[in-house]
Amino acid sequence: DQQVKQNSPSLSVQEGRISILNCDYTNSMFDYFLWYKKYPAEGPTFLISISSIKDKNEDGRFTVFLNKSAKHLSLHIVPSQPGDSAVYFCAAINNAGNMLTFGGGTRLMVKP
Amino acid sequence: EAGVAQSPRYKIIEKRQSVAFWCNPISGHATLYWYQQILGQGPKLLIQFQNNGVVDDSQLPKDRFSAERLKGVDSTLKIQPAKLEDSAVYLCASSLTRAGANVLTFGAGSRLTVL
Repeated sequence: DQQVKQNSPSLSVQEGRISILNCDYTNSMFDYFLWYKKYPAEGPTFLISISSIKDKNEDGRFTVFLNKSAKHLSLHIVPSQPGDSAVYFCAAINNAGNMLTFGGGTRLMVKP
Repeated sequence: EAGVAQSPRYKIIEKRQSVAFWCNPISGHATLYWYQQILGQGPKLLIQFQNNGVVDDSQLPKDRFSAERLKGVDSTLKIQPAKLEDSAVYLCASSLTRAGANVLTFGAGSRLTVL
């Protein structure tokens, strides 16, 4: 039972354009969401997060949007840069705060 | 601040052999996690420690996997005997506490190939 799903395994975007990565979840007990970025041969690194009491959080070129009614969140990267090429994981924590559940990841390729 | 250290980085074994992975978390981080990441999938939690006690090991295949965190610092994850489907990257992570939306810091992982 996949509680966090990233339905696009890969995404290719031109440098300078917007990258939009999507994530859906099924567990209504999730109340905090995170995006992690992973380069090859490295561990995932934290990118940005959002609490369920908000619908948007912005940090530089990265913005996460949360639609609780649709159980959907998205990560926007504007403008996209070649160095953003990596695998992006969506993750969620339940309101007990004791378990981080990951989606399957989306591989982003930003072409120069 | 030093990151999460893991070793070995790579290990190749034959099925039915045993293997052990070691993790040293960030100093002062009370919570330690072991995740399994199979190629093409997201990380899946195997076990979570709070200091030297187990918080959650519900997804750990206990017939072949074991983990310990003696003295509440370093941790080892052991697989015995290994199966082909155990081929994966084993990620160790740590965080200050287990409560709330704390951020996990991951190590680079230990890649296991079972032949």
